[in-house]
Amino acid sequence: GEDVEQSLFLSVREGDSSVINCTYTDSSSTYLYWYKQEPGAGLQLLTYIFSNMDMKQDQRLTVLLNKKDKHLSLRIADTQTGDSAIYFCAERVNDYKLSFGAGTTVTVRA
Amino acid sequence: DVKVTQSSRYLVKRTGEKVFLECVQDMDHENMFWYRQDPGLGLRLIYFSYDVKMKEKGDIPEGYSVSREKKERFSLILESASTNQTSMYLCASSPNVFTNTGELFFGEGSRLTVL
Repeated sequence: GEDVEQSLFLSVREGDSSVINCTYTDSSSTYLYWYKQEPGAGLQLLTYIFSNMDMKQDQRLTVLLNKKDKHLSLRIADTQTGDSAIYFCAERVNDYKLSFGAGTTVTVRA
Repeated sequence: DVKVTQSSRYLVKRTGEKVFLECVQDMDHENMFWYRQDPGLGLRLIYFSYDVKMKEKGDIPEGYSVSREKKERFSLILESASTNQTSMYLCASSPNVFTNTGELFFGEGSRLTVL
């Protein structure tokens, strides 16, 4: 089955690290993704990780994948006000379909 | 820059009206998708198309139809709009899956309100 779950809200102080967690159910997923949606905009791909990787780092972003527990996390270092957005976790279910979580609304407070 | 354009950002329609949502991509992508986004539910796939004139149902196709007459254009049609179709509609496209990571490129969304 395909069910992606993530917490709905996260509040973080500017300059701290943010960690957004996600669990997925389809163990055959080849790719897992993090998308960012800023207010009034569509979704933009932040980063992705291939299922044979444990970790991927891209500047302030670190993705950790635990395949055994089907757990994906996104860490944003030195969180800035511009990081306030909704973050979606998604898994590639088949050749055409991505399954998305409900989205985590991250609020960065001064 | 890759671009997916949704023609209407905001629409207000009445119950029973026929609604067309248009989406155009300029990246020569084979695949196009329509999702709806609702708070707490995330994105749910309505329909997708992997080629011109081809369409496949997603998870929530009831009450919707689609049209893909040209590669760059994918239209979502609500034959008779209902209040429970008030939502944000997102169009996306992607290149052939065998040559890429499956990344979707999204438009900015069309917010539909049905009164």
